Amino acid sequence: AQTVTQSQPEMSVQEAETVTLSCTYDTSESDYYLFWYKQPPSRQMILVIRQEAYKQQNATENRFSVNFQKAAKSFSLKISDSQLGDAAMYFCAYRSASNEKLTFGTGTRLTIIP
Amino acid sequence: DVKVTQSSRYLVKRTGEKVFLECVQDMDHENMFWYRQDPGLGLRLIYFSYDVKMKEKGDIPEGYSVSREKKERFSLILESASTNQTSMYLCASSFSPGQGYEQYFGPGTRLTVT
Repeated sequence: AQTVTQSQPEMSVQEAETVTLSCTYDTSESDYYLFWYKQPPSRQMILVIRQEAYKQQNATENRFSVNFQKAAKSFSLKISDSQLGDAAMYFCAYRSASNEKLTFGTGTRLTIIP
Repeated sequence: DVKVTQSSRYLVKRTGEKVFLECVQDMDHENMFWYRQDPGLGLRLIYFSYDVKMKEKGDIPEGYSVSREKKERFSLILESASTNQTSMYLCASSFSPGQGYEQYFGPGTRLTVT
């Protein structure tokens, strides 16, 4: 079974600084997708960024980028120029290409310090 | 905009009651999911459905059942609620056929069983 590990339960960063959230996963499959989801306080979970395992290029979405290391099974999220609105729980998730099920990590609570 | 709605934001039920949690999506998604979210455990999949009247067990189906009579609606049923089912319940939906499409989440129902 696939597992996703987020080893940082809580992180904090000064506004305008850069922060990196860690995620590792375990799988025997070669074709899969990885996601970072954001859950702001009392608000709906939304997708931040997605990475296809067959793509070598790291995904980027504005201030959000990933460092995907397939051999190391590592998928970290970098948030640049942190803003107050980035404060949230961040979940890393894995999905095999052969089914629709998502496996989530335990989450990292990110605090932005003004 | 994709919309996933859940029937209640907060719900308080007594032990032994039958509980229905409803989820509706408006984007004609084939797949629908029920998760529970607990601190330190992340999101865990209870059941999912890839078509009307079709369902598959997730990682923690014990004590739950589901119903999908219409494509847009997916119900989670607690036949006899217990205190260990106190949790946040999240519904999600996605397109098929397995192209890495993101899951869209509802706002969640915080269920307390007393």
